[in-house]
Amino acid sequence: IVMTQFPDSLAVSLGERATINCKSSQSVLYSSDNKNYLGWYQQKPGQPPKLLVYWASTRESGVPDRFSGSGSGTDFTLTISSLQAEDVAVYYCLQYYNTPRTFGQGTKVEIK
Amino acid sequence: EVQLVESGGGLVQPGGSLRLSCSASGFTFSRSVMHWVRQAPGKGLEYVSAISANGKDTYYSDSLKGRFTISRDNSRDTLYLQMTSVRTEDTAMYYCVKEPYSGSYYDYWGQGTLVTVSS
Repeated sequence: IVMTQFPDSLAVSLGERATINCKSSQSVLYSSDNKNYLGWYQQKPGQPPKLLVYWASTRESGVPDRFSGSGSGTDFTLTISSLQAEDVAVYYCLQYYNTPRTFGQGTKVEIK
Repeated sequence: EVQLVESGGGLVQPGGSLRLSCSASGFTFSRSVMHWVRQAPGKGLEYVSAISANGKDTYYSDSLKGRFTISRDNSRDTLYLQMTSVRTEDTAMYYCVKEPYSGSYYDYWGQGTLVTVSS
């Protein structure tokens, strides 16, 4: 499954909304459990990725509620409702519908 | 607290071999599917390999073409990646990653170990 993110980068003013899109080449919605096998990760320089969202819309414990995931099937979105300075990072989507797992190419979020 | 600590990275010549290790703690290692994911300098994340909880099933990226072997020692809570016939394009940070349960997302990542392939 090929995962395509867009845009590749975006610059957003502090306090404004940032929206990152991820599209899969085939559906990652499993009919048997009606779950989307899609996760979102944040990676800051020099650090490993950190889990933000799984099952497309379930926020990981401890992740600020300004981060939210949505979408189903092949089209997904990660939204940062009010960008903070500490949110500057590269964001990746991951499909775990099948093996090999595949990541999007990443979206770099910067402050405008 | 879950900890994944990779080791074994370093400088290796093209065509050489290297074995990476990942020492796990803070969870029941013997029940967890484990993965290796790599990231070339300045690039994105790339799936490398996975191994089932009992070690009987393994999965590899097609791009590796049989050069890498994943294994585990559940008595030592340790994951391995044997790398052979390495190429310059194998230069990357290698992360050890776990799933919270089989067939799910990655919840914890190690800090990574850097492999540099160069003459």
